[in-house]
Amino acid sequence: AQSVAQPEDQVNVAEGNPLTVKCTYSVSGNPYLFWYVQYPNRGLQFLLKYITGDNLVKGSYGFEAEFNKSQTSFHLKKPSALVSDSALYFCAVSATRRAAGNKLTFGGGTRVLVKP
Amino acid sequence: DAGVIQSPRHEVTEMGQEVTLRCKPISGHNSLFWYRQTMMRGLELLIYFNNNVPIDDSGMPEDRFSAKMPNASFSTLKIQPSEPRDSAVYFCASSPGGDRGGYTFGSGTRLTVV
Repeated sequence: AQSVAQPEDQVNVAEGNPLTVKCTYSVSGNPYLFWYVQYPNRGLQFLLKYITGDNLVKGSYGFEAEFNKSQTSFHLKKPSALVSDSALYFCAVSATRRAAGNKLTFGGGTRVLVKP
Repeated sequence: DAGVIQSPRHEVTEMGQEVTLRCKPISGHNSLFWYRQTMMRGLELLIYFNNNVPIDDSGMPEDRFSAKMPNASFSTLKIQPSEPRDSAVYFCASSPGGDRGGYTFGSGTRLTVV
């Protein structure tokens, strides 16, 4: 079974400061990892994904994430947070084995609040 | 492309009534997913289809829930009879498949059962 843990329900950060949202995963085989963002009353929007290759992945809106296989982590980062980054962030994982299909398992979400 | 289209955006119904949620995936996407989001349980996968065929419905909470995908451009999620605990936001997502993700989500249907 595959699972994702987002240990923080909420992250508060001042505008202009670095933002980190933590994610750890568990999956059989090599993982495909994703970050999505959800703004109020909207669906989830894709931010970035790791499939293979460089462990540092760059995505939309200045976000990046680092894949760490030994720590089974895929933390989301942004060097300088904006008030408009305030939203709900979801980490997700998919197993690479064909038997698992391509369904994503999502973490519980982390609410980010960026204060001016 | 208009993205994944869900209807209705909001649905309020009385307990015991039948509810049908609709989804039109992105053209060319061959995987379709139904998720439910609540404060208590977060985002749960209910069922997903590949090439219109249901692959995994283990997330469907009980027999009151059913989903169909009669063709590549349309899917429905039906709840009959509905109960107050079914109140949630239901999302549909589609994926090109083989991409291992890159889901595109619809805006969701907020269901309230009173």
